Amino acid sequence: EPEVTQTPSHQVTQMGQEVILRCVPISNHLYFYWYRQILGQKVEFLVSFYNNEISEKSEIFDDQFSVERPDGSNFTLKIRSTKLEDSAMYFCASNPVGVGGELFFGEGSRLTVL
Amino acid sequence: AQSVTQLGSHVSVSEGALVLLRCNYSSSVPPYLFWYVQYPNQGLQLLLKYTSAATLVKGINGFEAEFKKSETSFHLTKPSAHMSDAAEYFCAVSDQVNRDDKIIFGKGTRLHILP
Repeated sequence: EPEVTQTPSHQVTQMGQEVILRCVPISNHLYFYWYRQILGQKVEFLVSFYNNEISEKSEIFDDQFSVERPDGSNFTLKIRSTKLEDSAMYFCASNPVGVGGELFFGEGSRLTVL
Repeated sequence: AQSVTQLGSHVSVSEGALVLLRCNYSSSVPPYLFWYVQYPNQGLQLLLKYTSAATLVKGINGFEAEFKKSETSFHLTKPSAHMSDAAEYFCAVSDQVNRDDKIIFGKGTRLHILP
């Protein structure tokens, strides 16, 4: 069964360093998302992406964050200069149909900022 | 903005007992509604979704949810709990009127199954 894959599963970084989290969405899906979940808290929307551009972003997704689909298969989330509060589980998701469609989630990338 | 409220951050039921996890949505126009499950150290998996086709929605693992417009609710139920049902459950919503494809999650309810 097709699935969303994310790498790395866990990354530890120093505050101020750049981090890139990678995702391979399901191949025929067109809508892509990043969510984050701080330990013990709710799953929060960060950004949605369609047709090679950002559709919507939340207040969390400030200038330190960027997304890219560099080669038609990978979908990346970059955090330019990490802060302690960026420590969280980051989930990538894809959706085949857009509105009303199911989001298929990856297993997540745990980011720890020291 | 659309939102959902999940009543109870923790729910404990005995194995074999009825599971009832509560979710209420905020809008006057029925949105698309979803229930996702998250097992420890895993991603989120769809249990079921409501997209206005039928008010009683059956999902995986014996779960079902009933959409009740009069109560703005979409509670999740399972007749008989199993130990393997212990997980975090998230109700989620997307905005049908504004054609919004993103989904917004509730705060989650952790389900504990007592032997």
